[in-house]
Amino acid sequence: NAGVTQTPKFQVLKTGQSMTLQCAQDMNHEYMSWYRQDPGMGLRLIHYSVGAGITDQGEVPNGYNVSRSTTEDFPLRLLSAAPSQTSVYFCASSYSQGKNEKLFFGSGTQLSVL
Amino acid sequence: GNSVTQMEGPVTLSEEAFLTINCTYTATGYPSLFWYVQYPGEGLQLLLKATKADDKGSNKGFEATYRKETTSFHLEKGSVQVSDSAVYFCALSDLGSTLTFGKGTMLLVSP
Repeated sequence: NAGVTQTPKFQVLKTGQSMTLQCAQDMNHEYMSWYRQDPGMGLRLIHYSVGAGITDQGEVPNGYNVSRSTTEDFPLRLLSAAPSQTSVYFCASSYSQGKNEKLFFGSGTQLSVL
Repeated sequence: GNSVTQMEGPVTLSEEAFLTINCTYTATGYPSLFWYVQYPGEGLQLLLKATKADDKGSNKGFEATYRKETTSFHLEKGSVQVSDSAVYFCALSDLGSTLTFGKGTMLLVSP
């Protein structure tokens, strides 16, 4: 089983460029989410989805877009990259949004915006 | 709203020492509590969980007890190994809400 797959692992952008971080899971999970991890800040939720066609904002959604056209995929789009978006990004999924559910994480994307 | 507070790190221990990482929480309902671990260069993975008061979660020698009266979920291990060096995150989940993480505590274990 591949689990949660994120691509790319590393990316360098210039300010103003756009890009899409890919996330795919093969566990038929309904719930998918994106976090960013910054030193001293822990993990902060960007966007999440409870099923195909349904997305919602998390704690820090500004500057990011998401869509969920299939159960398997949940891409994160940076429309116009800014240095403040330099971070490590993690995609995570679970069977549902139930409070006892275990989250499965991808291995992360390290993004630098110059 | 929900929140999780963890002790700041890094926590530096010698191999075979006793480990405690403190975690306290604030929640409006009856949350489930989790410890996740992040090894260098990897994503987080679930270490253990407890879903109701007085439950004890355990895994790989680590354990934590859900204490409703003190709103705590402290992580303990009797004898740490070098391979336990990682960042540990306490987290809570409640009905109708997303998972809330603490800021993480780095553990460094030296031989």
